[in-house]
Amino acid sequence: EVQLVESGGGLVQPGGSLRLSCAASGFTVSSNYMSWVRQAPGKGLEWVSVIYSSDNKFYADSVRGRFTVSRDDSRSILFLQMNSLRPEDTAVYYCTREVTGDDAFDIWGRGTVVTVSS
Amino acid sequence: DIVMTQSPATLSVSPGGRATLSCRASQNVDRYLAWYQQKPGQAPKLLIYYASTRAAGVPARFSGSGSGTEFTLTISSLQSEDFAVYFCQQYTVWWTFGQGTKVEI
Repeated sequence: EVQLVESGGGLVQPGGSLRLSCAASGFTVSSNYMSWVRQAPGKGLEWVSVIYSSDNKFYADSVRGRFTVSRDDSRSILFLQMNSLRPEDTAVYYCTREVTGDDAFDIWGRGTVVTVSS
Repeated sequence: DIVMTQSPATLSVSPGGRATLSCRASQNVDRYLAWYQQKPGQAPKLLIYYASTRAAGVPARFSGSGSGTEFTLTISSLQSEDFAVYFCQQYTVWWTFGQGTKVEI
């Protein structure tokens, strides 16, 4: 079965760090374009970061310089290292896979909750 | 950034009825437009991509249309499981989402 499972969320103080993981099954992350998308409580969806199969990486302005996306090809796991966290980073974080040949997101994980609060 | 504006914010429809949801882009996105359905406590689910292509396993009662800056998602005969929030997303320049339309009874 093709699926994504996120982990690593939790409560962290402002200025702190967290590393999110996203384990893929049924496909390999290295062969696909993978993104992180977040959803603040009661709000809409915001794209955060993408990593291409070429290993090129891009970020939303709101997280550039603080967040880093990476992957472990041998274990087919996607990561999001989040530093200098702010209260406005509080959200459910989803990892997603892009449709092959298109850029919509066809597979989503169930999400992991990140809360930034003192 | 390309801003996506959805209307209405809330749509009240009877089971078996027809729902028409609108999405407008602040600039031309060609046909690079997707629709997602999200139920409470769940991740979004892809319904439509490239403006009108149904994703795998999506019932035929869901259809998408439009190009450029104006798009529509139509649900032809609402089933109980269709009551949810629907988001549009452009992917011409990075990715941005609309604020959502809640379809309720």
